[in-house]
Amino acid sequence: EIVLTQSPGTLSLSPGDRATLSCRASQSVRSTYLAWYQQKPGQAPRLLIYGASNRATGISDRFSGSGSGTDFTLTISSLEPEDFAVYYCQHYGTSPPYTFGQGTKLEIK
Amino acid sequence: QVQLVESGGGVVQPGESLTLSCAASGFIFSIYGMFWVRQAPGKGLEWVAYILFDGSVKYYADSVRGRFTISRDNSKNTLHLQMNSLSPEDAAVYYCAKRLDSDFAFDLWGQGTPVTVSS
Repeated sequence: EIVLTQSPGTLSLSPGDRATLSCRASQSVRSTYLAWYQQKPGQAPRLLIYGASNRATGISDRFSGSGSGTDFTLTISSLEPEDFAVYYCQHYGTSPPYTFGQGTKLEIK
Repeated sequence: QVQLVESGGGVVQPGESLTLSCAASGFIFSIYGMFWVRQAPGKGLEWVAYILFDGSVKYYADSVRGRFTISRDNSKNTLHLQMNSLSPEDAAVYYCAKRLDSDFAFDLWGQGTPVTVSS
């Protein structure tokens, strides 16, 4: 089973900064099947990126995804106050398991 | 309005059963695979179960296989999760989620329903 490890656990930045979040897989995965979600306190997760680099409907172009093999990155180009949240990467496919990383908390510095 | 609304959560004792429901609206429910995902208090996300659009294929996480059953009623646009033999480790907020049409990512989530298992 593929294990996803996200780093850092917590990232402290200021509005306007660039955020770089990492997701490393325990074995090579198809980039087609890597997603990123954002979750704010008390809310459900929201899909940001699928297929490693495709923005979901309605997602700002400040969010971008990249990577392949075992290393994937979510980049937020210029942080807005509403971007401070927890971010999860996920590996999925046509069959399970549909594994989530442990999350990165992006907090205001 | 495109949305998923969960219901049925509550407080149960260990060993008891509970059934969760998820009402879909604003999209053609019958053509999408659906998921259940849970989140224990202060913890991350855990996929629980998946059902194909027509109910013909079902997958379960190892942690719930044999105890939980996912089902759907396409005539009522509703997804269910029957949970048996509940333990404190099953306590979580349970979310239903819809599969993205061109992919297996989870593109629409409900607001979640909390399940507490305590004696």
